[in-house]
Parts: sequence; structure tokens; C-alpha cells
Amino acid sequence: GESVGLHLPTLSVQEGDNSIINCAYSNSASDYFIWYKQESGKGPQFIIDIRSNMDKRQGQRVTVLLNKTVKHLSLQIAATQPGDSAVYFCAENRGGSNYKLTFGKGTLLTVNP
Amino acid sequence: EAQVTQNPRYLITVTGKKLTVTCSQNMNHEYMSWYRQDPGLGLRQIYYSMNVEVTDKGDVPEGYKVSRKEKRNFPLILESPSPNQTSLYFCASSFYSQGDTQYFGPGTRLTVL
Repeated sequence: GESVGLHLPTLSVQEGDNSIINCAYSNSASDYFIWYKQESGKGPQFIIDIRSNMDKRQGQRVTVLLNKTVKHLSLQIAATQPGDSAVYFCAENRGGSNYKLTFGKGTLLTVNP
Repeated sequence: EAQVTQNPRYLITVTGKKLTVTCSQNMNHEYMSWYRQDPGLGLRQIYYSMNVEVTDKGDVPEGYKVSRKEKRNFPLILESPSPNQTSLYFCASSFYSQGDTQYFGPGTRLTVL
């Protein structure tokens, strides 16, 4: 079936390194993608989004890349800090406002000091 | 501050004892939703509401009820809780539709004994 998935369930990086978290999707009709960050004991927080008419979008220390050819989404975090430690998951809108967001299960990012 | 609030944050109860988890948003959002989050299963939608007095089932509605009498409030009701409803619950809201960016509350950790 169609789903939003993740390549790695856990990722461990050193403080100051760049982090890359990946997400695969299977529905070519998906037109809107969101990355969320969920810290322990908290609700998911919006980080950044991207629409299918874009390949790249940058925020503060974060960049989302969208490769529609291979249906792949990635979140890059520059100069990763201990406060970045959290579960990151992507969400996908499979087409228009009448469709639900479908959430991936998440990648746990651990930043080592 | 724009936010989604939930109460209580933690609740331990016994099988069969009716409970309500409240959710309120101050962003004038049209759309509100309830999710449960379980290890390995990610976020699963319970119920959602497109506007006042308009509610509909999500993916896992059994054992739950909701109401939307006011735009800002969307309580989740468990008429007769069972142990399999032990979970972490999140309320979320978005401006217009379920395909838009959703903003989450802090979560309610429910344990049913």
C-alpha cells in the first residue's frame, strides 16, 4: 500500500556535524510535505514544509530537499546541536485540501556532545 | 501566544470510568483533529472536525466520541475506557483543512488499568 516511510529509524551524530534525515513516499500525486520535530514529552512541532513545485526550501539551519523523480524527501540540519535531539517525522498530503496528512513513523536523532 | 492546549496532561483511570480530554485552540482554526500515538505505529487519527458541528471518523474511531459545539474546543470522550486505549493522545488544528499544516497540543498520557 501507499505510505510515508523512513530509511533509518535512528541516527546518531556528533555535535556540530550536519544531519540528514530521509523519508520516502510512494504516491506521485502527493503535493505537499511537512517535517515535524517531536521532543521527548512534547507534541510534534512544525519545522518546515515544501510543495511539489519546489525542489528545495531553506529555513534557519534546516533545509528540505524534494526529489520527485525517486519520491524522496530529506531534512538537513546544519551544525547539529544537543537541542536538536528528537524524533523527526515527515508528513505527506496526497493531493489537495480534501486529503489527510499521512505521517511517517519517525527517525530518532541523537546528538552526542 | 498561539497554541493548542490539552487537559489533563496525564491521567490514570480504571476500565469503564468515563473520561473527557479537553482540547482548545486560540488560532481561529477551522479544522481540528485527535490522534493517538503508540510505539511503532506512529500517529493515527481518531476523529476530526472540519468546522463547528461537523465531525467525522478517522482511522481508529472505535471507543471514542467527540463534539464540536464551539470553534475553539474539541473534546475527546471515552465513554467506557479499556486498557487498549492506553496511549499518548494529541489534539491538532489547522487553518482550513486536514491537508494543511497541523499544529499540535502538548499531548495527554492516558493509562487505563
